[in-house]
Parts: sequence; C-alpha cells; structure tokens
Amino acid sequence: DQQVKQNSPSLSVQEGRISILNCDYTNSMFDYFLWYKKYPAEGPTFLISISSIKDKNEDGRFTVFLNKSAKHLSLHIVPSQPGDSAVYFCAAGVTGNQFYFGTGTSLTVIP
Amino acid sequence: GAGVSQTPSNKVTEKGKYVELRCDPISGHTALYWYRQSLGQGPEFLIYFQGTGAADDSGLPNDRFFAVRPEGSVSTLKIQRTERGDSAVYLCASSLEGVGYTFGSGTRLTVV
Repeated sequence: DQQVKQNSPSLSVQEGRISILNCDYTNSMFDYFLWYKKYPAEGPTFLISISSIKDKNEDGRFTVFLNKSAKHLSLHIVPSQPGDSAVYFCAAGVTGNQFYFGTGTSLTVIP
Repeated sequence: GAGVSQTPSNKVTEKGKYVELRCDPISGHTALYWYRQSLGQGPEFLIYFQGTGAADDSGLPNDRFFAVRPEGSVSTLKIQRTERGDSAVYLCASSLEGVGYTFGSGTRLTVV
C-alpha cells in the first residue's frame, strides 16, 4: 500500500518557466517531508525539507509547500534550468523513523 | 569521510550465492538506513539502525536478508541464497538526528 504517491511520472518544462512537482500522502501522523533529486547512476541527493509545523519552506529557486488538510505537498522550481533535469522523489515520515518514498517524477527542462 | 560510501558500486552474482554490501556512513551519524530501489520505483525501506542496534527491521523482505552494524559505524547488508528478484540498487543513508538523510551512491546488485 503506497503511503506516498507521485502521480505524474514525468514533466517537461521550458527553461525559465516554473516547474511544479506534486506529492500526496496518506498517513496523517507524518511530520516531516523531504524532496530528493536523483541523476542516473547516482544516489538521491537531498534538496529541501519541510516540517509539519510549517506550510512553506524556501531555498533559493526551490520552494516546498505543505497542505496538511489535503495531505499534499508540492515542489516549485523557479526559474527552471536545464541542469534541474532529473528524477525527483518526495518522501514523508515520522521524525526518527523510516521515510516512505514516492515513485518519482522525471523532470525535463527544455533549453 | 565527507559522504556516505558504499562498496562495491556494482556486484554481479550467480543465483544462489551469498553477497555482502558495505556502507560507511558519515562520521558521527548515529542513524543508518538501508533502502532498496527497483527500476521505476522509489526507494523502499529495509532496515534502520540507531547506533549498533536495529531499531526497525520491518522492511527486510525475508530471512535471507540480514544486516549488522557491530560498532555503530560501518554496516553490512548480507543476502543469502540470492534470487534474480533481489536485483536492485541497494542504497544506504545516514542521519544525525533522524531527518535529512544523506544517501550513498548505492550498490547495483545483479543476480544472474
């Protein structure tokens, strides 16, 4: 039973535009959420996180939004750059325990 | 070291053989996690260590899989009687306080 879902397996965006990646979770006990970026033949790289006490966290071009009532989070990348092309995984869990990962969204930023 | 180191990076083994995968976490990180990632899937949890003890091994698929962390640092994931379905990328991650994992590059295991 998938506790974290990324329903869009792929996304293409023009360079300079906004990329929006979405993620849904089922467990209301989850209190910490992470986004990872993965290039081929590499392990996932931590990108940005958000605690359940916040609804927004921003780091440069990357912003994560959390809607606890909808059990939904999204990652916004503005402006998108070709180097952002990668697979993005969201993960959710309870602090100090395992995290559950979605199946990933492959982002392609077109120059 | 600066990051999480996993060896070997690639392992090809014959069905039925025994394999060991090693993870060297970031120095000082007390939490260590093993995940497995199959093609087209996100990482799936296997086992979590806090110090030397396995705090949660509920993700290990069966008793052919075992992991140890005897000194609270390096961990070894051991797979007995490997099967073709065990082929995947095995990822290790470490963490200081249970959030914001740092992943290694993984070991790609192929069982032929």
